[in-house]
Amino acid sequence: EDQVTQSPEALRLQEGESSSLNCSYTVSGLRGLFWYRQDPGKGPEFLFTLYSAGEEKEKERLKATLTKKESFLHITAPKPEDSATYLCAVHVTNFGNEKLTFGTGTRLTIIP
Amino acid sequence: DAGITQSPRYKITETGRQVTLMCHQTWSHSYMFWYRQDLGHGLRLIYYSAAADITDKGEVPDGYVVSRSKTENFPLTLESATRSQTSVYFCASKMDGSSYEQYFGPGTRLTVT
Repeated sequence: EDQVTQSPEALRLQEGESSSLNCSYTVSGLRGLFWYRQDPGKGPEFLFTLYSAGEEKEKERLKATLTKKESFLHITAPKPEDSATYLCAVHVTNFGNEKLTFGTGTRLTIIP
Repeated sequence: DAGITQSPRYKITETGRQVTLMCHQTWSHSYMFWYRQDLGHGLRLIYYSAAADITDKGEVPDGYVVSRSKTENFPLTLESATRSQTSVYFCASKMDGSSYEQYFGPGTRLTVT
């Protein structure tokens, strides 16, 4: 069964304190890994797509990386506005049925 | 404004009642999806549609019905609401092509009493 596990469940950082969020997966037929940001009371907002091991994508203070077993979302010198829940999802193909499987997210809080 | 809209944003209903959640997108994306989000479970796919008049079940379809007569609309109906269907429901769409990134609406918070 396809599984996506995110850690930690929650993370509190001081403003400017860099850290990383983890997304580990055990799937067959991986076709892509996605990162989303979700603010309270809102829908997930697309951030990145990664397709192959070794690939990296950057956006402002965020950088996503991918290996064969996991992805990291690195946040550098975070600001309070980076506080949100970050979701990881994998795109798998199973007998022609394509879908996204989501992790349960990491709730990130940046303290001023 | 372009994008995905959902209505209502909040809904309280009683057990056994039928309720329909609406989803409308202005991008003309072929694919549309319905998810529910619950604590500890993440986002789970209920139904999806590859085009008008084409729908298929996702991970948790029981108790739900969908239709797609027009490309831009994808309503989700709870035929006889149960308390276990209390959740936040998100609609999403995907552009045509090989990329599978999905774009989400703002969600509907449904409470079944």
